[in-house]
Parts: sequence; C-alpha cells; structure tokens
Amino acid sequence: EAGVTQSPTHLIKTRGQQATLRCSPISGHTSVYWYQQALGLGLQFLLWYDEGEERNRGNFPPRFSGRQFPNYSSELNVNALELEDSALYLCASSRRLGGSGQPQHFGDGTRLSIL
Amino acid sequence: DQQVKQNSPSLSVQEGRISILNCDYTNSMFDYFLWYKKYPAEGPTFLISISSIKDKNEDGRFTVFLNKSAKHLSLHIVPSQPGDSAVYFCAAKASGTYKYIFGTGTRLKVLA
Repeated sequence: EAGVTQSPTHLIKTRGQQATLRCSPISGHTSVYWYQQALGLGLQFLLWYDEGEERNRGNFPPRFSGRQFPNYSSELNVNALELEDSALYLCASSRRLGGSGQPQHFGDGTRLSIL
Repeated sequence: DQQVKQNSPSLSVQEGRISILNCDYTNSMFDYFLWYKKYPAEGPTFLISISSIKDKNEDGRFTVFLNKSAKHLSLHIVPSQPGDSAVYFCAAKASGTYKYIFGTGTRLKVLA
C-alpha cells in the first residue's frame, strides 16, 4: 500500500511570493490534515479536509488556505509568504472517523524555506 | 494553552534498558491517544494507540499506559535499541472531534 506522498520535497521562495504544496493520501483515506512544524517546535495543526470540505482550521491567518479534490488529494496554499513561514509542512491522512479513533499516517513533508 | 505536554525534551537510555517517555494532558475530554516516532527528514510514523476505555495497550516492544485520573500517558520501549533513537510525539483527540493535538516531542537517544 502506497503511503502518503507529498510534493515537492523542498521549496524555496522569497518574501511576498505564494507557495503551493501538494499531498496524496493513502488509498481509501478520505481525510487529509496539514501541519506546520517550525524549527524547535511541535506539530501545529493547520487544516483538516474531509470529503472535499474544510472541516477545521488551526490558529493560522487566512493566507494559509487549501482545498481537497474529488480524488481526496489536497493542496495547501500559502500567500504573501513571510520569513516565519519557513518550516516543515506535513500532510497526514486517515479513514473517516466513525466513532472510534483512527491514527493519522504522515507523509515525509515539504521543507519550505523563505529567503 | 498547551493541552498536550511532553516535559522532557530529551532522554538518553542504554541499549537493552527500558525507555519511558511521558506525556501529560489537561483536557478531560480526550478519548484517544497516539504515539508517533519521527526520524530526521521523514514524516512521523504511527507507533501505537490507546483508547480512554483502556489503561494499557501492547505491541511488541512498545507498551502505552494511560492514567486517566492523573491525565498522564507513557510509552515504554523494552528493550531499547539504537534504531529507536528518534523524536517521539504523543497526540490526543477529544471525544466527538477529529483533530489531534500534538505534544512538542521528546528526543530519545539509545546508546550502544
């Protein structure tokens, strides 16, 4: 079974630009989650998509947005990039929770560097 | 407000001995807990989970204990191996929600 795949592996941008990060979930998983891991910090929840809709978002400004496509893959868009956006962005997927917990399975992340 | 806390940023253990990683939480509505292991340049790998209806779950060398009254869970690795050296994250979700809250991680170093 193929795992969660993210692209690109690395992305270098300058301040003010826009970045697009992509994620393909494990087959059969309908939920996609995005996390930011800045240097020295834990995983900060960004966004959750399920069945094509944004279900929840973390404490991040509106310039962080995304979408989920009919095939359940997802994009994270970050507009007006700032230096502090430099981080590892992790995508995770899970089956739709049905009353019991389901573990999230992570991709290897996209390292976004803002110059 | 950090609802899930891993107060030890790092831990060193001798190979073959037990590693105990701790996690404290504040939200009594949390009903499902996960442990992940993360190597550099890789995404977190799911290790083991526990539901709040249990107080222990075992999978090979990994055992997770949950103490609901103390709002504390721990991950025991026995015996520890050098390949276990990684950052370990605990995560928790509240009943009726689908969002996991992650701790800041504990870096485990297993010494050969």
